[in-house]
Amino acid sequence: GAGVSQSPSNKVTEKGKDVELRCDPISGHTALYWYRQSLGQGLEFLIYFQGNSAPDKSGLPSDRFSAERTGGSVSTLTIQRTQQEDSAVYLCASSLGTSVMYEQYFGPGTRLTVT
Amino acid sequence: RKEVEQDPGPFNVPEGATVAFNCTYSNSASQSFFWYRQDCRKEPKLLMSVYSSGNEDGRFTAQLNRASQYISLLIRDSKLSDSATYLCVVQPGGSYIPTFGRGTSLIVHP
Repeated sequence: GAGVSQSPSNKVTEKGKDVELRCDPISGHTALYWYRQSLGQGLEFLIYFQGNSAPDKSGLPSDRFSAERTGGSVSTLTIQRTQQEDSAVYLCASSLGTSVMYEQYFGPGTRLTVT
Repeated sequence: RKEVEQDPGPFNVPEGATVAFNCTYSNSASQSFFWYRQDCRKEPKLLMSVYSSGNEDGRFTAQLNRASQYISLLIRDSKLSDSATYLCVVQPGGSYIPTFGRGTSLIVHP
């Protein structure tokens, strides 16, 4: 079946511009995570959605970052007034749930470059 | 101390070798443990879960040592296709947020 998809695959933007990154999780997966991975770094948790519950935004690095998930499916991560330090690969993952640690299925990521 | 620590490597081994990686974690309340594999410029994929009793999947064996707070991954008879970065993942009980290590790079050469 279809896996997690993300778009765009690459995004180059100028400092100060806003960007939107999209994630389509696997159908039926109620949990959705956003991470970012900088060169040589581990995955940094950003935000988590589970069903209709309020998202856990504890990993968002600043108020320039926000995310939403519409209809319990597609999610959009928005970065406002981008800075060069925002350059990274943004990964989305979905899983069946979190009552136990279900396997996370990752999308291919969006490589963001802020110039 | 970082929550999850891994030796970044790279571990450079010949085909057929046995190689082992360790990963230490700081949170004694951690309950779930995993190894993910990440190929260059690709997304991470689950390699195996790590159970208290240890588990084996073909050439791969994972162990958990709660007393010393580390998990290990042993790869026997290394293949060229095993070349990748291996990510250690730890999740505390009651938490739905996993913590990823920075990964250990493995290079298997002919």
